[in-house]
Amino acid sequence: EADIYQTPRYLVIGTGKKITLECSQTMGHDKMYWYQQDPGMELHLIHYSYGVNSTEKGDLSSESTVSRIRTEHFPLTLESARPSHTSQYLCASMRGKGTDTQYFGPGTRLTVL
Amino acid sequence: GEDVEQSLFLSVREGDSSVINCTYTDSSSTYLYWYKQEPGAGLQLLTYIFSNMDMKQDQRLTVLLNKKDKHLSLRIADTQTGDSAIYFCAERKNRDDKIIFGKGTRLHILP
Repeated sequence: EADIYQTPRYLVIGTGKKITLECSQTMGHDKMYWYQQDPGMELHLIHYSYGVNSTEKGDLSSESTVSRIRTEHFPLTLESARPSHTSQYLCASMRGKGTDTQYFGPGTRLTVL
Repeated sequence: GEDVEQSLFLSVREGDSSVINCTYTDSSSTYLYWYKQEPGAGLQLLTYIFSNMDMKQDQRLTVLLNKKDKHLSLRIADTQTGDSAIYFCAERKNRDDKIIFGKGTRLHILP
């Protein structure tokens, strides 16, 4: 079982607020990812990191930013939340060797009013 | 393109077998995966198959791989109500280890 955690699980917040979604993993994985998931199910990669001080934008443009100061921690920040940011955000990590694949956290469901 | 294709919906009667199909894009992909997502949760890895295998069986789950056609399937025997979820197919690309997900198949169980 993967040890990857996301907090909060649910967040309802007003427009214009700054928010940070937390993601932590205790597996020592170098690679970490953030996905935004549509109500219609499709996953969109918005950020990824291959290690400390490495961050890259994903396939879907996002107004969020990420940081990777420690291996185990990969927070996502929205400086000014808008209703269009309402979505499910999933964090994942991966060792990247052998049969290893991405392991997912439980997700944060964000609602911006 | 980089699209992994799968049908969006499947309805199956309880006790019957479910077969979820997927086509992937890269013949050099090393591993192919099936994930399960239950409501309000993240994706859980169900099973994987290495690209040099044709079949893998794990209890009620059978994965079939047709590398020539780049076709992957997941068969769930004796489908139960707890199998109701969204199933994602994914491929791991050989050149950069990038994992590409399909859009998910929602499996609905009929009583």
